[in-house]
Amino acid sequence: EVQLVQSGAETKKPGESLKISCRASGFSFTEYWIAWVRQMPGKGLEWMGIIYPGDSDTRYSPSFQGQVTVSADKSINTAYLQWSSLKASDTAMYYCARPKGGYQLAALDSWGQGTLVTVSS
Amino acid sequence: IRLTQSPSSLSASVGDRVTITCQASQDITDYLNWYQQKPGQVPKLLIYTASNLEAGVPSRFSGSGYGTDFTLTISSLQPEDIATYYCQQHDILPITFGQGTRLDIK
Repeated sequence: EVQLVQSGAETKKPGESLKISCRASGFSFTEYWIAWVRQMPGKGLEWMGIIYPGDSDTRYSPSFQGQVTVSADKSINTAYLQWSSLKASDTAMYYCARPKGGYQLAALDSWGQGTLVTVSS
Repeated sequence: IRLTQSPSSLSASVGDRVTITCQASQDITDYLNWYQQKPGQVPKLLIYTASNLEAGVPSRFSGSGYGTDFTLTISSLQPEDIATYYCQQHDILPITFGQGTRLDIK
């Protein structure tokens, strides 16, 4: 069974750093891309970026380029999303998701449960 | 690529046929997917590549379209279909989503 299990909810202050995780199981982690999707409170879905853990090839949406870093550790089947300096506007639910069939450009058929990040002073 | 869904919200009765449209700002052939997100839940893939039903999704859901205009249809609305529905294109990066259509039961 394909599973993406994300790390727990986080509450941080503006300016702090944060790294959240997405642990994969049930498929070959190095042969599938992993995407990150943001959902701000009461709002829609926004695609942030994507990584191929096999060679760490990473692409970002222009809206998120330079604002976050996507990475992966294939030795422990885990993808990461990190911030170096959080802002209140980073408050959101963050999902990792896997595109179908091992393709970069495909429907997202498996999703993590989400990690709620709250940034408040 | 910008995706525009309509309507933004709608109310319908159980048993109604419901149609949600998604218009792309440029030709995306059939690289269009539909998701359902129930309140407090994770998005779920319903339809991929415009018209393919994801495994386990009830057959009352269907998708159609090509190029710039796409449709998600629920043939007979059920109470458990209360959700927000999103279209998403995967023709080119960055992948983009429509703004969502909120569906309520009348």
